[in-house]
Amino acid sequence: DTGVSQDPRHKITKRGQNVTFRCDPISEHNRLYWYRQTLGQGPEFLTYFQNEAQLEKSRLLSDRFSAERPKGSFSTLEIQRTEQGDSAMYLCASSQDTPQSPLHFGNGTRLTVT
Amino acid sequence: EDQVTQSPEALRLQEGESSSLNCSYTVSGLRGLFWYRQDPGKGPEFLFTLYSAGEEKEKERLKATLTKKESFLHITAPKPEDSATYLCAVQAAWGKLQFGAGTQVVVTP
Repeated sequence: DTGVSQDPRHKITKRGQNVTFRCDPISEHNRLYWYRQTLGQGPEFLTYFQNEAQLEKSRLLSDRFSAERPKGSFSTLEIQRTEQGDSAMYLCASSQDTPQSPLHFGNGTRLTVT
Repeated sequence: EDQVTQSPEALRLQEGESSSLNCSYTVSGLRGLFWYRQDPGKGPEFLFTLYSAGEEKEKERLKATLTKKESFLHITAPKPEDSATYLCAVQAAWGKLQFGAGTQVVVTP
């Protein structure tokens, strides 16, 4: 399967702990995106990378959130000092580096903060 | 600010009962309008991209259309396997998509 891969699929953590998620995009895609989705809502944009450069961050991305894409391939999203409001599905997507290319999503990481 | 509104929030159909989903949007400089299907516990699956008013795209029982202010997703003679949440998204800035809240469709046999 050559789709977008995310790990882990589920994460349960206690409030105040740090968590890290990983995303492996489709191999020929230069652009990588992180979105967050809560129940009954559409995905909300968090940040995106073109190769290893982080080009845009949403104001939703507080200082507790950090994303990296060190070699322009896989990406990690870290949340420090988790809060209950961070509970959500974290989706990663990738696309080709051409205008209007569709985003292809992974199946997400479901985070539950207790 | 860009906005995407989908209606209805939920739709229950009998198998074979055709219907339409609406996506209305306000965006400065639309680059594309995207439709996705999302099954429970899965990520969104790409269906269509529409670029300009008047454009139509079809895939099996689904047809998407676009005007200057809204898009419709028509489901013709749906089957139970068409049950899913359908998401609409607009692309204003290069790459980034802004999504609506989705329409949850349930098709009963």
